[in-house]
This record gives sequence, structure tokens and C-alpha cells, in this order.
Amino acid sequence: DQQVKQNSPSLSVQEGRISILNCDYTNSMFDYFLWYKKYPAEGPTFLISISSIKDKNEDGRFTVFLNKSAKHLSLHIVPSQPGDSAVYFCAAWSPDSWGKLQFGAGTQVVVTP
Amino acid sequence: DADVTQTPRNRITKTGKRIMLECSQTKGHDRMYWYRQDPGLGLRLIYYSFDVKDINKGEISDGYSVSRQAQAKFSLSLESAIPNQTALYFCATSTSGTGIQETQYFGPGTRLLVL
Repeated sequence: DQQVKQNSPSLSVQEGRISILNCDYTNSMFDYFLWYKKYPAEGPTFLISISSIKDKNEDGRFTVFLNKSAKHLSLHIVPSQPGDSAVYFCAAWSPDSWGKLQFGAGTQVVVTP
Repeated sequence: DADVTQTPRNRITKTGKRIMLECSQTKGHDRMYWYRQDPGLGLRLIYYSFDVKDINKGEISDGYSVSRQAQAKFSLSLESAIPNQTALYFCATSTSGTGIQETQYFGPGTRLLVL
């Protein structure tokens, strides 16, 4: 029973354009959401996060939007750069999860010239 | 220097063999985790430990065991490896708390192939 879903396994975008990655969740107790980025042969690295009390968090080219009523969050990358080519994981945390994160399956982003 | 290290980085073993994957961290975090990554399934939690005396099973602990030798060291063992344990294994750490403290920091991973 996957509580965090990333339904798009891959995304191809041109350099300079916007990348939009989507994530849906089913557990209404989720209180905090994170995005991780993973390059081949490396571990995931933290990218950006958002608390459930906010609907938007921005950090440079990366913005995460949270729609609690729809149980949906998205990551926007503007403008996309070749170095953004990686796998992106959405993750969620709830107060009753005892510190555990639930991860989505990941979305492979390829930024083309 | 990397804050979370894993050894070995790559390992090939045979069915039935016992192997150990090791994780060390210099971040001073009290919580440590072991995950496996499989294509299309994302990261799944195997075991986690909130301190040296606290070990907990994750969602896929069958066939695995762990040891928290010190605050900085957390080892994962496959008692009798089987081919479907072929995967990428990650160790992670975090501090205790809520919100930003729940951010987990990952090691570089161990690629395991069980023949």
C-alpha cells in the first residue's frame, strides 16, 4: 500500500524550460514533505521541503507547491538545466510515523539541450 | 570528507552466503536507517534505529538483521542471501525532532548482486 505516489516515471524537458514533477499522497496525517534528488552512483540528497502549514516554499530555481485538499504536491524547476537531470523522490512524514519517511517511486528527469 | 559512508560500494555474492554491509556517520546524528531501492518501487525501509539500544523493523525486514555497534555505526546483514535481495542499499541518518529535523542524509549506496 503505497501512501506516496509519483505516477510519472520519467520526464523529458528542454533546457531553459520549466520542469514540473508531481506527487500524490493518501495519508491525511502527513505533516511534512520533502524532495530528494539522486544522481547515478550517489545517494539521494535533500533538495527542498515544505510543512503542511504552508502552500508554497521557494529556494532559488526550485519551488514546491502543496495542495492539502487534493493531497497533491509538485516541484517546479525553473529554468531547467542539464545538471538537473536526475531521479527525484518525493517523501512524506507524519507525527505518528516515529521518524520514518514514506518515499515515492521516483521520477527520472532528463534535461535536453 | 563524506558525512555518511558505506562499505563496500559494490558486492557480488552467491545464494546462501552471509554478508554484511556497513555504515558509518560523522554527523553526530542519533537516528540511522537502512533502505533498499528497486526500480519502480522507490526507497523501502528495512530497519531503523533511534539510538544504540533501539532497533526497529521497517516494512521489509524479513531476511535481514542489523547491529548498532555505536552511535556512529549501523550494520546490515543478509543472513542467507537470495537473488531477490539484489538491489541498491542505502544507509541514512537524521536527528530527532519534527519538521526540518526529519530530513534524512544518505550515504552513497551499496550495489549488491546475489547470484
